[in-house]
Amino acid sequence: NAGVTQTPKFRVLKTGQSMTLLCAQDMNHEYMYWYRQDPGMGLRLIHYSVGEGTTAKGEVPDGYNVSRLKKQNFLLGLESAAPSQTSVYFCASSLTGTGGRSPLHFGNGTRLTVT
Amino acid sequence: RKEVEQDPGPFNVPEGATVAFNCTYSNSASQSFFWYRQDCRKEPKLLMSVYSSGNEDGRFTAQLNRASQYISLLIRDSKLSDSATYLCVVNNPGGYQKVTFGTGTKLQVIP
Repeated sequence: NAGVTQTPKFRVLKTGQSMTLLCAQDMNHEYMYWYRQDPGMGLRLIHYSVGEGTTAKGEVPDGYNVSRLKKQNFLLGLESAAPSQTSVYFCASSLTGTGGRSPLHFGNGTRLTVT
Repeated sequence: RKEVEQDPGPFNVPEGATVAFNCTYSNSASQSFFWYRQDCRKEPKLLMSVYSSGNEDGRFTAQLNRASQYISLLIRDSKLSDSATYLCVVNNPGGYQKVTFGTGTKLQVIP
């Protein structure tokens, strides 16, 4: 099993450009999440999904959109990239919600730089 | 007060030493607690959950102190391979699918 796979691993964008980060999991997990990690700050939740066809806002959703058309995939979109979105992005999945004891399984991250 | 606070370190310890990290949390209603390990430029990985009665996994011991609202991680007989950043993670109850991550404590085990 591959677990959680993210693409791309690295990307450089110019301000105003758009892109989509792809996340796929093969563990049949219901819950999927997008986090960003910045120096000196803990991982922060951008958006999450509790099942196919559902999405919800997390802690820092502005400037991002998501879609979960298939259970195994969770896409994160940046419509008009800004330098403040320079970060490392992690996708994660869990069997049940994070309110319980279900651990998060992370992808290996996408390093995004916006110039 | 931050929701989850950790000493950022770095903790520089010799091989074989015992080291302990604490993590304080602000929400007294939190129910689930975890320690994750993150290697440099890698994704976080679950190290262990923290149970009310405390739990041990080999050289690692996790404890929860609800009265003082902190969790701890003890690593005995440190190995070079233990060098990493250790993230404290606490759930936020209230129907919001969110856990709060600490900023992490960096451990460097020295030969």
